[in-house]
Amino acid sequence: NAGVTQTPKFRVLKTGQSMTLLCAQDMNHEYMYWYRQDPGMGLRLIHYSVGEGTTAKGEVPDGYNVSRLKKQNFLLGLESAAPSQTSVYFCASSYSLAGGTDTQYFGPGTRLTVL
Amino acid sequence: GESVGLHLPTLSVQEGDNSIINCAYSNSASDYFIWYKQESGKGPQFIIDIRSNMDKRQGQRVTVLLNKTVKHLSLQIAATQPGDSAVYFCAENMASGGSYIPTFGRGTSLIVHP
Repeated sequence: NAGVTQTPKFRVLKTGQSMTLLCAQDMNHEYMYWYRQDPGMGLRLIHYSVGEGTTAKGEVPDGYNVSRLKKQNFLLGLESAAPSQTSVYFCASSYSLAGGTDTQYFGPGTRLTVL
Repeated sequence: GESVGLHLPTLSVQEGDNSIINCAYSNSASDYFIWYKQESGKGPQFIIDIRSNMDKRQGQRVTVLLNKTVKHLSLQIAATQPGDSAVYFCAENMASGGSYIPTFGRGTSLIVHP
């Protein structure tokens, strides 16, 4: 049971390039989330999904797109990367929306630098 | 280590002391709270949670206290160990259109000196 995994672990992009971050979970969780974490700040929710084929905007969705074509995968896309998107990105999953007794399980993070 | 620890409130303690990490939350409608531990280079990890109908909950070496009157949450770690060194986040969950979306605090960096 690998839990939540993220690919890649590190990436350097030039401004304007695009990329996709992959998150996979093997716990059969319904809900998945993408967060970004910047120095001195807490986690900020980018997008989330309440099930296969559904997505919703979080606190800071601009500049990002997501897709949940399979229950176990949640993809985060940057169509035209900007230096302001330099951050550490965390994926999380939970059996139900965090708010009941189910907690979120986090991946190890992807460190993205945009030059 | 992770640069996330820079510019955060920091608590330094000696090994064996008790640690208290505080968190103020913003929404009086929040009814579920979680503490996470984030070690350098890793994702946050669940420590303990508490519902708003409780004011105290104990785990192994950790206790969470909730004061709804002043919207304050605290995490107490007994007999702090070097392995407890990490950034600790509180998260509050509030209903949003029928869904519960957690909001995370900035975090507190705990440094345990041997």
